[in-house]
Amino acid sequence: NAGVTQTPKFQVLKTGQSMTLQCAQDMNHEYMSWYRQDPGMGLRLIHYSVGAGITDQGEVPNGYNVSRSTTEDFPLRLLSAAPSQTSVYFCASSYSELSNTEAFFGQGTRLTVV
Amino acid sequence: GQQLNQSPQSMFIQEGEDVSMNCTSSSIFNTWLWYKQDPGEGPVLLIALYKAGELTSNGRLTAQFGITRKDSFLNISASIPSDVGIYFCAGKDSNYQLIWGAGTKLIIKP
Repeated sequence: NAGVTQTPKFQVLKTGQSMTLQCAQDMNHEYMSWYRQDPGMGLRLIHYSVGAGITDQGEVPNGYNVSRSTTEDFPLRLLSAAPSQTSVYFCASSYSELSNTEAFFGQGTRLTVV
Repeated sequence: GQQLNQSPQSMFIQEGEDVSMNCTSSSIFNTWLWYKQDPGEGPVLLIALYKAGELTSNGRLTAQFGITRKDSFLNISASIPSDVGIYFCAGKDSNYQLIWGAGTKLIIKP
């Protein structure tokens, strides 16, 4: 099994550009989430989904959109990139929202906005 | 919002030494989790704690869920070079959301 796959691994954007970070899991997990990780800080939740067709906002949702059309995929869209969105982004999945762990993380996408 | 205070921020230790780190919260959590992150990788779950007072081991790692449900600690015994990395605590609240500590960077002196 591939687990949680994120693409791309690295990306440089100009301010105002849009892009989509891809996340796919092959474990039939219901719960998926997106985090950003900034230096000296813990991971912060951006958006999450408890199942196909259902998404909700996390702690820092502004500037990001998500959709969950299938169980496997949970893309994160930056609508108009800003330098403040320079960060490392992690996608995670677990069996369900009620399971007590985000057990599987992707390798991350390192995004730089110039 | 909820906050987790994780300490220390970094540790320099000799190989073979024991390591201890902890997290405290202003809020009660239902679950405490400890992760390790290697450079260029996502966090990997080490230990999960589900009940106040619970003490759980995973090899040389031992973690406890504090009785007040507002704190947890992680101990690593007889550290080895592959223990280097950043260790994160995370607490799961009543809304099933994970709140993360800022991490403890473990560095082993040559």
